[in-house]
Amino acid sequence: GAVVSQHPSWVICKSGTSVKIECRSLDFQATTMFWYRQFPKQSLMLMATSNEGSKATYEQGVEKDKFLINHASLTLSTLTVTSAHPEDSSFYICSASRALGLASLEQYFGPGTRLTVT
Amino acid sequence: AQKVTQAQTEISVVEKEDVTLDCVYETRDTTYYLFWYKQPPSGELVFLIRRNSFDEQNEISGRYSWNFQKSTSSFNFTITASQVVDSAVYFCALDNDYKLSFGAGTTVTVRA
Repeated sequence: GAVVSQHPSWVICKSGTSVKIECRSLDFQATTMFWYRQFPKQSLMLMATSNEGSKATYEQGVEKDKFLINHASLTLSTLTVTSAHPEDSSFYICSASRALGLASLEQYFGPGTRLTVT
Repeated sequence: AQKVTQAQTEISVVEKEDVTLDCVYETRDTTYYLFWYKQPPSGELVFLIRRNSFDEQNEISGRYSWNFQKSTSSFNFTITASQVVDSAVYFCALDNDYKLSFGAGTTVTVRA
C-alpha cells in the first residue's frame, strides 16, 4: 500500500512554456502533499506544502506565481511551472502523506519528474 | 530552526566492507522523527527507517543497522558487508512540525 505516482516521469519543454506535473496517491487519501525540488548532486528542498481544498504554503524563496499548486482532491495534487526557463530544469518530487502521530506525517514519495527546459 | 548535517559527501568502499554514514541533527523540539532514505540512480526515494525521538533503541534490519544517540544528536547508519547494489545517495532527514528537512546526502559507491 501507500503508492504515489507522478506524471510525467520526464518532460522536455521550450523556454517560456508552462508544464504541469501530477502527483497521485493511488491507494490512500492524502491529507497533505508536499513538493520538493532537487538539483543535480544536491539535496531535496521543500518547495511547498498543500492541503486538500486550501491554498498551498510556499517555502521562503519559492515564487508562488511561478509554481502553481492545486490540490483539488485527497488523491491529486498538481504543480504547474509557468513560463519555464532553463534554470527551472530540475528533478521535481512529490510526496503524499497521512497523519503518523505527534509532530509528524508519514510521507510517501513519488518517483519524481525530470524537467528539462531548453 | 532545524538542521541536518551529513559531513561525508562521498564514500567509496570495496564490496563486503562495512560502511557507516554519519548524521547529526539540530532541533529545539523534544518530539521529532528521524529518517534515512536511499536514492538510487533511478532517482526514486526508498524509505529505510523512521525513528521517533523517544525511542533510542538501536535497530538492525538485515545488513542495515542504525545507532541513535540522543545525547550527541546523532543518528548514524551502517551497512554491513556492502554490495554493489548498495551504491546510491543516502539522505538523513528530520521531521517535526510536519516538515522534512534533508541532509545534503552521502554518495556511497561500492566497487566490485
